[in-house]
Amino acid sequence: DQQVKQNSPSLSVQEGRISILNCDYTNSMFDYFLWYKKYPAEGPTFLISISSIKDKNEDGRFTVFLNKSAKHLSLHIVPSQPGDSAVYFCASKSSGDKLTFGTGTRLAVRP
Amino acid sequence: NAGVTQTPKFQVLKTGQSMTLQCAQDMNHNSMYWYRQDPGMGLRLIYYSASEGTTDKGEVPNGYNVSRLNKREFSLRLESAAPSQTSVYFCASSELPPAHYNEQFFGPGTRLTVL
Repeated sequence: DQQVKQNSPSLSVQEGRISILNCDYTNSMFDYFLWYKKYPAEGPTFLISISSIKDKNEDGRFTVFLNKSAKHLSLHIVPSQPGDSAVYFCASKSSGDKLTFGTGTRLAVRP
Repeated sequence: NAGVTQTPKFQVLKTGQSMTLQCAQDMNHNSMYWYRQDPGMGLRLIYYSASEGTTDKGEVPNGYNVSRLNKREFSLRLESAAPSQTSVYFCASSELPPAHYNEQFFGPGTRLTVL
């Protein structure tokens, strides 16, 4: 049972435009959410997080939005750059439990 | 400051062979993890060690054993490799135990093929 779902395996965006990566979760106990970025042949690196007491967290070009009623979070990258091309994983957890990762979305930013 | 290091980077095994994947971190983190990544499956937790001297099963522990050798090192052993264990293996560490809210830092991965 996949508790964290990234339904789009891939996304292609023009450089300079906005990239929106989506993630849905089923466990209503999840209260902490993270996004990781992974380049080929490297390990995932932490990008941004949000707790359930917020609905938005921003860090430079990256903003994560959380819609608790819809059990949905999204990562916005604006403006997108070719160096943003990578696989993005969302991950979620509840208090006292471990991280659960989604299956990843491959983002390609076209020059 | 190397972060999380893993050896080897690549390995090919025959069915039934054994091997140990090594992981070390230099961030003085308390908790360490082993994940596997398979196509379409995301990252799945194999085993973790919340603190030195403790280990616990994750989501997919069958066929694996782990050893938390000291605070820095956490190894993953395949006693009798099977083709289903062909995967990319990632080690990770975090300052606080997994029950807490903190990010994990990942190593570069080991690509394992079992023939």
